[in-house]
Amino acid sequence: GNSVTQMEGPVTLSEEAFLTINCTYTATGYPSLFWYVQYPGEGLQLLLKATKADDKGSNKGFEATYRKETTSFHLEKGSVQVSDSAVYFCALSPYNAGKSTFGDGTTLTVKP
Amino acid sequence: DTGVSQDPRHKITKRGQNVTFRCDPISEHNRLYWYRQTLGQGPEFLTYFQNEAQLEKSRLLSDRFSAERPKGSFSTLEIQRTEQGDSAMYLCASSLRVGHRVRNTGELFFGEGSRLTVL
Repeated sequence: GNSVTQMEGPVTLSEEAFLTINCTYTATGYPSLFWYVQYPGEGLQLLLKATKADDKGSNKGFEATYRKETTSFHLEKGSVQVSDSAVYFCALSPYNAGKSTFGDGTTLTVKP
Repeated sequence: DTGVSQDPRHKITKRGQNVTFRCDPISEHNRLYWYRQTLGQGPEFLTYFQNEAQLEKSRLLSDRFSAERPKGSFSTLEIQRTEQGDSAMYLCASSLRVGHRVRNTGELFFGEGSRLTVL
């Protein structure tokens, strides 16, 4: 079956530091890949997505590139802010957009 | 607010009682999903619907769990004879599946969840 493995957390960074959260996946076919974010007290919301190999998803300064050869979708941001403190989930959706599979989440805390 | 709404947001119940959660998806979305999330874990798939049809149910799901979407709009998730292990956040999400010839990305829109505590 499909699976997603995320870098274990928690991750604590100082403001303006560089962020990388690793994500690798196992899936048949050509899934879509996602990063969802959950801010304190809120529901999960889509941060960015990529639907085919070599696509780069980007939003709010975050980026991730769909790497089929390494089955990875690592999340990066060049300069984090305190407001980026949240839990980040990597996920995949199969080609027919059936059930999505999520990683266990990585908690990011950014200190001023 | 036209997002996904869930009710109740919090439910505390005693072991052995039945509980029901309701989810109202984004109005034009034809797919509705239920997930369960426990502390430190990602959302775990329970079941999903396309319109009123239940297309898949997790094999890990106990027969004490049942979900319905009778008119293809809102959905309910019922847990019978609750156990302490059922304590979790129950998440509802919806999406729009356009058709067979168009790539459906599978992007999900989540509600804020219903937190269940079983004493």
